[in-house]
Amino acid sequence: QKEVEQNSGPLSVPEGAIASLNCTYSDRGSQSFFWYRQYSGKSPELIMFIYSNGDKEDGRFTAQLNKASQYVSLLIRDSQPSDSATYLCAVISGGSYIPTFGRGTSLIVHP
Amino acid sequence: ETGVTQTPRHLVMGMTNKKSLKCEQHLGHNAMYWYKQSAKKPLELMFVYSLEERVENNSVPSRFSPECPNSSHLFLHLHTLQPEDSALYLCASSHERYNEQFFGPGTRLTVL
Repeated sequence: QKEVEQNSGPLSVPEGAIASLNCTYSDRGSQSFFWYRQYSGKSPELIMFIYSNGDKEDGRFTAQLNKASQYVSLLIRDSQPSDSATYLCAVISGGSYIPTFGRGTSLIVHP
Repeated sequence: ETGVTQTPRHLVMGMTNKKSLKCEQHLGHNAMYWYKQSAKKPLELMFVYSLEERVENNSVPSRFSPECPNSSHLFLHLHTLQPEDSALYLCASSHERYNEQFFGPGTRLTVL
């Protein structure tokens, strides 16, 4: 059974701080990693994907992947109230195109 | 969001009704997915169609029946549903080689 684990939160951070969201996965054969943002009542929206160990930056977002430790994280710099949402981690194993999603972490950025 | 459309956006049905959910993608993708999202639960993959091959989650009840007439359209036929089937039903598409999924806005289903 492939599992993707996330702390459900809520994670509360002040405006302007760095929010750190973590995700661990069980399948060592995982090769593709995704972060989705989901606002309440809306559908998930892809914000980052990463395939290689290390960091990948896109604007205020940085994805970090450590395959040896089987975790992937998402850092949000200069957090804004508009970043308040649930963040879903998704993982795809090698040779597949079907993702396994975590339960999501609720992020609250307070002014 | 407009790359993947879903209709209807909201649906209320009785347990004896038959209804269908529709999804259309305008992204040139070759894989389409149905997910169920219930409160406090992770996204549950129901069905996948890729290059006309169907992959399904064996735990999905037979009262849900998918149809994929071509690579741009996906349907979910519903019959004799139960109140616990009330949820947000999400359609997604991806290019099989690149894996990133793009979601439609979802259909909020309520079964009375």
